[in-house]
Amino acid sequence: AQKITQTQPGMFVQEKEAVTLDCTYDTSDQSYGLFWYKQPSSGEMIFLIYQGSYDEQNATEGRYSLNFQKARKSANLVISASQLGDSAMYFCAMRERQGGANSKLTFGKGITLSVRP
Amino acid sequence: EPEVTQTPSHQVTQMGQEVILRCVPISNHLYFYWYRQILGQKVEFLVSFYNNEISEKSEIFDDQFSVERPDGSNFTLKIRSTKLEDSAMYFCASRGEESPLHFGNGTRLTVT
Repeated sequence: AQKITQTQPGMFVQEKEAVTLDCTYDTSDQSYGLFWYKQPSSGEMIFLIYQGSYDEQNATEGRYSLNFQKARKSANLVISASQLGDSAMYFCAMRERQGGANSKLTFGKGITLSVRP
Repeated sequence: EPEVTQTPSHQVTQMGQEVILRCVPISNHLYFYWYRQILGQKVEFLVSFYNNEISEKSEIFDDQFSVERPDGSNFTLKIRSTKLEDSAMYFCASRGEESPLHFGNGTRLTVT
């Protein structure tokens, strides 16, 4: 089974509007971390936001927030007030504790976001 | 802000040749990783490295691949005899004890 599922093939949003990028995950671990990364066309991987499985509040980082619904195993990224520079590929990823202290990140397939002026 | 640096940014090599991809992780980080991304596809885990040894490796990381941390600062990925299907972007990453994974800008490897 897929550990991280990102089913939206491509998303479009009008500049200054909010957009939600979906991510569901699958794990039997009780302790895990969820991450979102942005990959612009230049190719680098930029860390955006992190949510721990035991965190009671949804993570926020500036215009990014993570809508964490543990029972549904979803960790959607919300970008508020979209900017043209937000156009990029967005990857959801998970790290499970059962893999040990240096367990790897497992990535989803990614979602392409295009912001329209 | 400290960052992971990778060299070269682009490497072109002929099939069957050896390549070494170089990385300098963030200095106080303890855990090191190599990932790869074939064009337009997902980011795939290759190998993790901690305390001077491999912690975990994926099915992709076969006998043609090796990693080394020769001098306490560099972290290298060697592909002994490259194949066409090794063409990809290779990312080095590092993290501290409780920090998120920080990626380098990647090395685009083209095997002709």
